[in-house]
Order: sequence, then structure tokens, then C-alpha cells
Amino acid sequence: SQTIHQWPATLVQPVGSPLSLECTVEGTSNPNLYWYRQAAGRGLQLLFYSVGIGQISSEVPQNLSASRPQDRQFILSSKKLLLSDSGFYLCAWSLKSGTEAFFGQGTRLTVV
Amino acid sequence: GQQLNQSPQSMFIQEGEDVSMNCTSSSIFNTWLWYKQDPGEGPVLLIALYKAGELTSNGRLTAQFGITRKDSFLNISASIPSDVGIYFCAGSDNTDKLIFGTGTRLQVFP
Repeated sequence: SQTIHQWPATLVQPVGSPLSLECTVEGTSNPNLYWYRQAAGRGLQLLFYSVGIGQISSEVPQNLSASRPQDRQFILSSKKLLLSDSGFYLCAWSLKSGTEAFFGQGTRLTVV
Repeated sequence: GQQLNQSPQSMFIQEGEDVSMNCTSSSIFNTWLWYKQDPGEGPVLLIALYKAGELTSNGRLTAQFGITRKDSFLNISASIPSDVGIYFCAGSDNTDKLIFGTGTRLQVFP
């Protein structure tokens, strides 16, 4: 069966520090991968999605970037965090476009 | 860009009552999904809809894919305390994106 792992679960980082959040999927090949951000009490904002290795589509221009160095690995990064980058970051995968997506447990990032 | 408007924003109901929430889009979608999110966790898929007019049930939950392909609703019958959470609709068109609605926060009182 397929599983998705996301880490760390919580992270407190100072303003201006770099960020690297990792997401890996097991049990499937060539999944679509997604990064979402959720502000407190709000909906899920799509940040990046990828349909294959090295293929990244950005939805919202901002202080973040994403990379997919391997088929089942999706990384969210920042060179210098801002206070506004705080939030709950969720990684998800789907078998193909237009099908159900399955989420990781999320990373709660607090920038101080 | 695409937007999914979900209503109501929040609901406060008594245990045993039925619940209905809906989601509308400014454009046509080919897929509608409904998720539930508990505090501090990732959303969990409840129901997936792939065909206009499709009506699908999952236990006490029923969801429908609107005929216009621009809306969907979710019904919960005989609510129980563990139904508490945030419910999200999500939609996908001919692109690779999966867009989420604004969420409906459900509170159930005994």
C-alpha cells in the first residue's frame, strides 16, 4: 500500500534562516506531488505541484521554492524565511491528475 | 485564477441533526473531492466524484457532482460528536492542479 511521509512535524525557525521540508511517497511510481500551505483557521493554498522528476509548477510567487530530485521525493525550500511564511505545510500525492490526493501529516512551521 | 467558494463557513448543530454544505466553482471541474480535517492533521479523503450527476455515499455521508460541473454538495446524516472538524471540497479541471475550497467548520453539540 502507498504511504506518504513528511518531516519534521514541527519546526521553529528564526527570520532570515533557510528552510528545507521533505516529503517522500512509498508504494507507487511517478505520482503527482503537491505542496500546500494552510494559515491558521484558513483553507489550503496550493503552492507547488509536480507531475514528474524535475518538473515543478509554481502557483503563488513568493519566498519559497520546490524541487523534485527523485521520483518520490518532493522538497520545499526557502533561502531566507519571513514571518509570513509561518503556517501548516502539507504534502500530498495522487496517482495521476484529476484523481484523489492523499495527504501527509503536515509540518507546522513557526517563524520567530 | 480558479476559486472554490464553500458554504456555510461554519455550522453549529445538535447531535442527531443532518448537515448539508456545498461548494461552487467559477469554472467547470472534472473531479470533485470531499475531505475532513481534524486539528493538527492532514485532510482525509471522504468521497471522490468523477462524473456529472454522480451521487455517492460513504456511510452517513452522501455527496453529489453537480450537473453543471460547477458545484458539489456534501450531506451528513444523523451527526455524531466525532463528525466535528473542518470539511473541504476540492476540484480538478483539465490541468494538473487540485484546488481546495475555503472549508466548513462543523461543531456538534451533544
